[in-house]
Amino acid sequence: DSGVTQTPKHLITATGQRVTLRCSPRSGDLSVYWYQQSLDQGLQFLIQYYNGEERAKGNILERFSAQQFPDLHSELNLSSLELGDSALYFCASSPRRNSGANVLTFGAGSRLTVL
Amino acid sequence: AQSVTQPDIHITVSEGASLELRCNYSYGATPYLFWYVQSPGQGLQLLLKYFSGDTLVQGIKGFEAEFKRSQSSFNLRKPSVHWSDAAEYFCAVGLNYGGSQGNLIFGKGTKLSVKP
Repeated sequence: DSGVTQTPKHLITATGQRVTLRCSPRSGDLSVYWYQQSLDQGLQFLIQYYNGEERAKGNILERFSAQQFPDLHSELNLSSLELGDSALYFCASSPRRNSGANVLTFGAGSRLTVL
Repeated sequence: AQSVTQPDIHITVSEGASLELRCNYSYGATPYLFWYVQSPGQGLQLLLKYFSGDTLVQGIKGFEAEFKRSQSSFNLRKPSVHWSDAAEYFCAVGLNYGGSQGNLIFGKGTKLSVKP
C-alpha cells in the first residue's frame, strides 16, 4: 500500500457520459498529480495541484477538469467521454510544490473503459 | 524540449541472467533521475533515484543504476533476475520547472518478461 488511495479501481461507462475519479494523497503530502496512461501515448501528465491551488497544467483536455479540496483530496472529472478516453488514470502525491527532486508516490490507478 | 528515451520496448531474459535496461535523457543541466516499476495491475513504485554525488546508485529489490553524464544515460541493472521482476520499467527525469510537462517526464517504458 503506497498510501495514495484512488477510487474507483475500475469504471465502465458509455460515450457521452461523465465520471469522477477520486484521489486521497499520502498523509502529509500537499501536491497531487494526475497522469493518464494509454498504450499509444504512454504516461501523460495532466495536471498538478498544490495545497488546493492549480500548480501546473499538462495535456489535459478541456472536457476534463480537476480540483483539490481543503482536506487535500482531489477529484478528476471527465465529461463527454469518448472511446479514446479509455485509459488508466493515476494519481500521485508528493510533499513539495515544484521541484525536480520531488519523489512521487503513485496510487494503484483507476481503469476507465468507455464503450 | 526535455525528453526521456527508452530504446527497448520489450526485453525477455532468463531467470538468473543479468539485466540492463537502457535510458537516455535530453536535458541541458544535470537532471534528477528516477526509475519506477509498474507490476501488472499496480501503480508505479520508485526503484531508485539519482540527485547528485556517487553516480552508481542502489535501489530496492537488488537494482542499481549508473548515471553517465557524457552519454546522457541512466541505465538500470540487476545481476540476477527473478521471475517476480517481470514488470514494466519507466525511466524519468525530474525538472524544477517542467511547465506543461510537469515535474516528472517519463520514458515510454520497457516491458520485461522473464523466462523460467
